[in-house]
Amino acid sequence: DGGITQSPKYLFRKEGQNVTLSCEQNLNHDAMYWYRQDPGQGLRLIYYSQIVNDFQKGDIAEGYSVSREKKESFPLTVTSAQKNPTAFYLCASRPGGTNTEAFFGQGTRLTVV
Amino acid sequence: DAKTTQPPSMDCAEGRAANLPCNHSTISGNEYVYWYRQIHSQGPQYIIHGLKNNETNEMASLIITEDRKSSTLILPHATLRDTAVYYCIVRGGGTSYGKLTFGQGTILTVHP
Repeated sequence: DGGITQSPKYLFRKEGQNVTLSCEQNLNHDAMYWYRQDPGQGLRLIYYSQIVNDFQKGDIAEGYSVSREKKESFPLTVTSAQKNPTAFYLCASRPGGTNTEAFFGQGTRLTVV
Repeated sequence: DAKTTQPPSMDCAEGRAANLPCNHSTISGNEYVYWYRQIHSQGPQYIIHGLKNNETNEMASLIITEDRKSSTLILPHATLRDTAVYYCIVRGGGTSYGKLTFGQGTILTVHP
């Protein structure tokens, strides 16, 4: 099946540990995105990438890092510098061009204890 | 980036049309308006998008004003399954090309 896959669905980590969230797509999309969502809130953009080996900071990039070594993969690392990492994380991808919509994964719920 | 403003919540009776407004007064000429919805704890689902003409698909209609400063998403016959958070966003242009910024959205509650 074509689509965008985030894994795992639920993730638990101890405070102070780095953790990497996986996002893979087989849609041959150029652009990929990471968002964070807190309870009752909208989506906030962390990082986005429009092409392999290039990415830009979103609105809340501090405490996060990404890489885009392959077109189909855009992993997000939540570092120990992120003060409040517990949240719902969503990945999206989009074809290139000006008139295309984004497709979202089902999210990873990260809990740091 | 053009910012969007939406009412925090709306109600609609089942079977009636739901009209969700969005203000994007700072939109530039080449920026598209996109609508997504999110059902609790799931990834957002694309609904529709447009540039300046009205658009319709199997899910909804999008009406964009002539000056492009606002738009309305219309769900013609709302069902209980349409209860969700609806987001209106504007695709970034210029140095923010490709940036997708979501606002707080509108919580639509469809009641029997």
